[in-house]
Amino acid sequence: EAGVAQSPRYKIIEKRQSVAFWCNPISGHATLYWYQQILGQGPKLLIQFQNNGVVDDSQLPKDRFSAERLKGVDSTLKIQPAKLEDSAVYLCASSLVRANTEAFFGQGTRLTVV
Amino acid sequence: AQKITQTQPGMFVQEKEAVTLDCTYDTSDPSYGLFWYKQPSSGEMIFLIYQGSYDQQNATEGRYSLNFQKARKSANLVISASQLGDSAMYFCAMRESQGSARQLTFGSGTQLTVLP
Repeated sequence: EAGVAQSPRYKIIEKRQSVAFWCNPISGHATLYWYQQILGQGPKLLIQFQNNGVVDDSQLPKDRFSAERLKGVDSTLKIQPAKLEDSAVYLCASSLVRANTEAFFGQGTRLTVV
Repeated sequence: AQKITQTQPGMFVQEKEAVTLDCTYDTSDPSYGLFWYKQPSSGEMIFLIYQGSYDQQNATEGRYSLNFQKARKSANLVISASQLGDSAMYFCAMRESQGSARQLTFGSGTQLTVLP
């Protein structure tokens, strides 16, 4: 079974530039998560999709971050414009809808804003 | 209020010994799931073990077991016979069942170092 795919693995940009991350979840997984993980901290949920609808984006800084999930499959997360404090690993995860199933994570995108 | 609390930022254990990583949680939802993940220095999040709130027995998966004390709202991970490859960050997480969101919320993690 193919895992969660993310790209790119690494990205370095200057502040005020824009950047986009891509995620392809495990086939059949209706729930997709984007997490931000700052070095030394636990993952913080940015946005959660169920199929192609947003079910939680309460912690997404909407003035600069946006996300979409096309046709309930792939998802993109965009930052525009980036700030220094956005430097982090961005993790995508997917799961079945049932609450008692684990989420599977991609390898993440390490973003450095300089 | 924090939903998941991990009070041990770092832990050391001698190879072949057992170690317990603490996790307490806060929820009013009667139905929830508790998860433990391992994150090595390479960065991937690896699922280790799951405990459901209605499960009568503590979960076990190989060398991993979960000491689930529902009344105390704690879900500690026990790793038996530690190996050098167990050195990593360990995260406790919870998913509640009520509401459409069913967020998966993580704690701040415990850095485990296994000493030879």
